[in-house]
Amino acid sequence: GDSVTQMEGPVTLSEEAFLTINCTYTATGYPSLFWYVQYPGEGLQLLLKATKADDKGSNKGFEATYRKETTSFHLEKGSVQVSDSAVYFCALGNTDKLIFGTGTRLQVFP
Amino acid sequence: KAGVTQTPRYLIKTRGQQVTLSCSPISGHRSVSWYQQTPGQGLQFLFEYFSETQRNKGNFPGRFSGRQFSNSRSEMNVSTLELGDSALYLCASRLEIGANEKLFFGSGTQLSVL
Repeated sequence: GDSVTQMEGPVTLSEEAFLTINCTYTATGYPSLFWYVQYPGEGLQLLLKATKADDKGSNKGFEATYRKETTSFHLEKGSVQVSDSAVYFCALGNTDKLIFGTGTRLQVFP
Repeated sequence: KAGVTQTPRYLIKTRGQQVTLSCSPISGHRSVSWYQQTPGQGLQFLFEYFSETQRNKGNFPGRFSGRQFSNSRSEMNVSTLELGDSALYLCASRLEIGANEKLFFGSGTQLSVL
């Protein structure tokens, strides 16, 4: 069945460091791919999305490119801030279901 | 526009008890989904309701059940609680099934089973 695999956390970075959180997927058909973010004490919010191969989603300095050849959707940011500390979830949407990865906690220190 | 509202925010129960969680979707949204979030398993899909009918179901035992009312509000019930049911339960709403990019989450109900 469809699945999403994320890198284990926590990812610990200093402010202004470069961020990569790896995400790979297994799916039939042509799913849409998403990154959600969960700040402490809150629910999940959609961060960015890509609906087809080679699409790049971007928001708030974060980017991810839908790579069909490597079945990946890695999240990147050039310079992280303390306020980016949160849990990040990769997800795929196929027909009417959303399937999430296990989440990766990011901790950014000043 | 009010967001997805979940009540209560925190719950403490003991093994063997039952619990009911409530979710009010965004106005106009007819689909409500429930997820269980635990540190080790991430988000696991429980079920989705649309127009008072269960449309999708995850791989959870029958102790987990839900329903949706005519105003789209939804409740989730867990009977005979076990320690492993301790988790953050998230509700999400969307306008219709299939609108994956327009899924909105509530802040969750943190359930602790002692």
